[in-house]
Amino acid sequence: QKEVEQNSGPLSVPEGAIASLNCTYSDRGSQSFFWYRQYSGKSPELIMSIYSNGDKEDGRFTAQLNKASQYVSLLIRDSQPSDSATYLCAVKPGANNLFFGTGTRLTVIP
Amino acid sequence: GAGVSQTPSNKVTEKGKYVELRCDPISGHTALYWYRQSLGQGPEFLIYFQGTGAADDSGLPNDRFFAVRPEGSVSTLKIQRTERGDSAVYLCASSAARGSYNEQFFGPGTRLTVL
Repeated sequence: QKEVEQNSGPLSVPEGAIASLNCTYSDRGSQSFFWYRQYSGKSPELIMSIYSNGDKEDGRFTAQLNKASQYVSLLIRDSQPSDSATYLCAVKPGANNLFFGTGTRLTVIP
Repeated sequence: GAGVSQTPSNKVTEKGKYVELRCDPISGHTALYWYRQSLGQGPEFLIYFQGTGAADDSGLPNDRFFAVRPEGSVSTLKIQRTERGDSAVYLCASSAARGSYNEQFFGPGTRLTVL
């Protein structure tokens, strides 16, 4: 059974703070991990992908992966009100489809 | 370049009717995926195409659901005898090729409402 767990939130942070979003997964053989941002009424938008243990930085976003702990996280630095959205963690255990968590709703308070 | 497109954006139908949802992937993308997203949930996998063939249809909930991709580009998801429980947003995604490291890009979705 392939499960992806996320805290549904809501997570509220003040503008300019660091938002930390967490995700755990059950399939130890998973090889690739993705974070999608989804605004209300819109489709998921890919913001980060990570495949190796450690950190991967892209602008204000940092993805962190720990395969031994089956844990992946997303840090958003200098959070902006425009970052308010639902963040979906997705795991690809094999070569094909993604398995998604239920998402964490983030609110950045001006 | 153009992203994944889906039509219609909204579809309202009556219970028992037949519907078709269309997806046009990013040009050159050989892999195409259909997902379904219910309110408050993450997308759930339905079916995956590599080229013209359905390489994995394990996510289709029952035999009322069927999808085709006859020329390896545009795909159509077909739902027969729709039920109220089929109401959801149907998302299409494409990627450049199969494989663990290929990123999937989603279209805007079709919101299906079955009355």
